Amino acid sequence: DSGVTQTPKHLITATGQRVTLRCSPRSGDLSVYWYQQSLDQGLQFLIQYYNGEERAKGNILERFSAQQFPDLHSELNLSSLELGDSALYFCASSPQGDEQFFGPGTRLTVL
Amino acid sequence: GESVGLHLPTLSVQEGDNSIINCAYSNSASDYFIWYKQESGKGPQFIIDIRSNMDKRQGQRVTVLLNKTVKHLSLQIAATQPGDSAVYFCAEAYSGGGADGLTFGKGTHLIIQP
Repeated sequence: DSGVTQTPKHLITATGQRVTLRCSPRSGDLSVYWYQQSLDQGLQFLIQYYNGEERAKGNILERFSAQQFPDLHSELNLSSLELGDSALYFCASSPQGDEQFFGPGTRLTVL
Repeated sequence: GESVGLHLPTLSVQEGDNSIINCAYSNSASDYFIWYKQESGKGPQFIIDIRSNMDKRQGQRVTVLLNKTVKHLSLQIAATQPGDSAVYFCAEAYSGGGADGLTFGKGTHLIIQP
């Protein structure tokens, strides 16, 4: 158990819909990262937040957004969902930006 | 774009033997490298990391080797056990680039034969 929690574990929705994935980092970790893992693209970095502020962007679509709240938990919002958005979404946290601890992931299925 | 890649998608070894998983990276500016293990249905689990000012680092039953000249990273697992069966990813980062997101390789599936 990494100490990072993610909810929900599974999510099934339809194309065009919007969903919110939630992540609680390890106690004391200020950095939160979001990754997408799909069969064809592998693990891809989406976005990073540090102490409530966006710090870095990776391959994140404009339809996707994230935020980190004062209690340091983070949410990833996915809108106008497409079939190709079906994937595992992982959150990771880190105290200083080096070693990242991954959560168990949310499996999103878009039908 | 630049990416981290793996030479072998599947590696099968006998239980008790040593395993070597290789990884090539293309961003010569990367200065931090990590190996992760991912078991089915779980998130990536940190195994070992190494910074670019080192060429070798040892952990418990694992050793990471870094060859910056040829941009090659390897993970050695000693006395492989059934619990080592998983997909192994190498990842890289450039700490001076302002983005701490990791760039992952495609992964190698390690299969342990009894």
